[in-house]
Amino acid sequence: KAGVTQTPRYLIKTRGQQVTLSCSPISGHRSVSWYQQTPGQGLQFLFEYFSETQRNKGNFPGRFSGRQFSNSRSEMNVSTLELGDSALYLCASSLDPGNTEAFFGQGTRLTVV
Amino acid sequence: GENVEQHPSTLSVQEGDSAVIKCTYSDSASNYFPWYKQELGKRPQLIIDIRSNVGEKKDQRIAVTLNKTAKHFSLHITETQPEDSAVYFCAARAGGGNKLTFGTGTQLKVEL
Repeated sequence: KAGVTQTPRYLIKTRGQQVTLSCSPISGHRSVSWYQQTPGQGLQFLFEYFSETQRNKGNFPGRFSGRQFSNSRSEMNVSTLELGDSALYLCASSLDPGNTEAFFGQGTRLTVV
Repeated sequence: GENVEQHPSTLSVQEGDSAVIKCTYSDSASNYFPWYKQELGKRPQLIIDIRSNVGEKKDQRIAVTLNKTAKHFSLHITETQPEDSAVYFCAARAGGGNKLTFGTGTQLKVEL
């Protein structure tokens, strides 16, 4: 069974640009959550999707958005990039909301210059 | 919202010794507590978890204990090996969603 797949693995963008990251969950998993990992702030929850609906959102500005498709794949978008958005973005896959384990992908390392 | 505190931030032990990492949480509605191990440059990996209806869970050399009254839970690693060296994160989840609130991590170093 394939694990959680995130693409791309590495990304370098310029301030002001926008970026889209992709996450394919484990086959059969329908819940996808996104986290931002930085040395200073640790692992912080961005949002959670289930059945193409956002169920939960963390304390991030509106520049951060996401969506989920009918095949459970998810994308997150960051617009008007700032230097502080440089981070490892991790996607976690779960069977269903609330009662199952979460498994992480390898992450996308975003560098904003 | 939920707040999770984790101690210590760094822990150095000799090979074969035990290691204990402690976390406290604030939301009494939290009902699921996973632990993740993250090696340098790799994804966080789920190593053990515990639900609020259980006080202790063990899997070979690792165990987790939960004290709901005091709102704290701990990870115990016995007979540590060099490959246990990594950053360990505790987390808590409340309610019906999958939002995890993480602790700040513990850098464990197992020395030969």
